[in-house]
Amino acid sequence: AQTVTQSQPEMSVQEAETVTLSCTYDTSESDYYLFWYKQPPSRQMILVIRQEAYKQQNATENRFSVNFQKAAKSFSLKISDSQLGDAAMYFCAYRSATQGGSEKLVFGKGTKLTVNP
Amino acid sequence: KAGVTQTPRYLIKTRGQQVTLSCSPISGHRSVSWYQQTPGQGLQFLFEYFSETQRNKGNFPGRFSGRQFSNSRSEMNVSTLELGDSALYLCASSSYRTDGYTFGSGTRLTVV
Repeated sequence: AQTVTQSQPEMSVQEAETVTLSCTYDTSESDYYLFWYKQPPSRQMILVIRQEAYKQQNATENRFSVNFQKAAKSFSLKISDSQLGDAAMYFCAYRSATQGGSEKLVFGKGTKLTVNP
Repeated sequence: KAGVTQTPRYLIKTRGQQVTLSCSPISGHRSVSWYQQTPGQGLQFLFEYFSETQRNKGNFPGRFSGRQFSNSRSEMNVSTLELGDSALYLCASSSYRTDGYTFGSGTRLTVV
C-alpha cells in the first residue's frame, strides 16, 4: 500500500519570504501522480499543483513550485514571496496511474503553514 | 462554472441515528469520491463512484455506504451513528484520470 509522509506538522514564514514544505512517499508503482492541496479555514481543499511521475521537469504554478525527486521518493513544495493568504493546512497526496490501480488519493497528515506579517 | 456542492454544511445527529449526505459534482464530472477528515486520522478514503458504479472502497465498516445517480450526483449514508463518526466529510469530483480532484466545502457531522 502507498503511504505519504509529511514530517513537518507546522511551519512558519515571514511575509515575502520563501518556505519549503517536505513530503516523502512510498510506492512500488512506477506510474503515479502527486499533488499538493491547500486547505484554508474555510475547509475547502484547493489544488495547488500536480506532478506526473513520468515527467522529469518540476511543475510550477506562479509562486508555487515543486522539487520532485523520483528516486528518493520526495516531493517538496516551495512557496516563493509568501503572502498572508497562503496561511493554511497543506496536504501532499498520491494517486496511482497504473491501469486497474486504485484512483483514490492517499494523503499525508498535513503541514500547518503560518505566515507572519 | 459551479463547483462541487455538498449539503448540508453542518449536521448534528444523535448516536444510533442514520444520516445521508449529498454531493453534486462539477457538471460533466463522472467520478465522485468521498473522504473522511478527522484530527486524529487525517484524511481517509471512503469510496469512489464512476458512472453509478462503486470502483473503490476504503477500510470502513459496512455502516458506511454510498451511491451515485445517473446525473453523477452522489450520496453517502451512515447508519447507526457512533461518536467516532464525528468528522468533516469531503466529496470530490474529477473528469479525467490525470486530474486532481476538485473538492467541495464538506459536511461537518457532529454525533452527540
